[in-house]
Amino acid sequence: GAVVSQHPSRVICKSGTSVKIECRSLDFQATTMFWYRQFPKKSLMLMATSNEGSKATYEQGVEKDKFLINHASLTLSTLTVTSAHPEDSSFYICSARRRDGKNIQYFGAGTRLSVL
Amino acid sequence: AQKITQTQPGMFVQEKEAVTLDCTYDTSDPSYGLFWYKQPSSGEMIFLIYQGSYDQQNATEGRYSLNFQKARKSANLVISASQLGDSAMYFCAMRDLTGNQFYFGTGTSLTVIP
Repeated sequence: GAVVSQHPSRVICKSGTSVKIECRSLDFQATTMFWYRQFPKKSLMLMATSNEGSKATYEQGVEKDKFLINHASLTLSTLTVTSAHPEDSSFYICSARRRDGKNIQYFGAGTRLSVL
Repeated sequence: AQKITQTQPGMFVQEKEAVTLDCTYDTSDPSYGLFWYKQPSSGEMIFLIYQGSYDQQNATEGRYSLNFQKARKSANLVISASQLGDSAMYFCAMRDLTGNQFYFGTGTSLTVIP
């Protein structure tokens, strides 16, 4: 299967700081990447769709100014959690869609964010 | 509305036995895709198997097979010869006609008993 690298895997930060999470598609070009949030024992909740070279599309209820997404190249999308607060603590996971007819999403390993 | 339903929150299976994880879907698209992912406790989502709505045969990948029943709108995952390492959450997912919209089920937690 395809490889998607997500970094860091775990981050602990103080309230009010910003955290950047990187998502890289290592062996295919991804014009579209997705960012999800997952609460314990729950399914994935789509936050936004990241499109290379254009603005991200955010799901209803997701603050675009708080969760900044940049998809500057065909292999890299970043999610920046700005002015993080304890309620932002969660598991964030990205995926890259391989545009080959099947449109399979390949996921990164996820980032566990803890805001103190 | 399009959605995925997984009715089994938790399943247990004896090691070396086969197990079926249920998934039903709802869509009005003429073409769509169905997926299964495995999420172990480490958190990563591992792609297991894909079934296209127009595929004539059920998809198979090693010990995984997808029992696709289009008329019933079901896409059950069958894991044969279960191993301890199969213990994980399993998510069924569907993409729409455009490939731009994806829908995930609530997941099934599978525990393989030695």
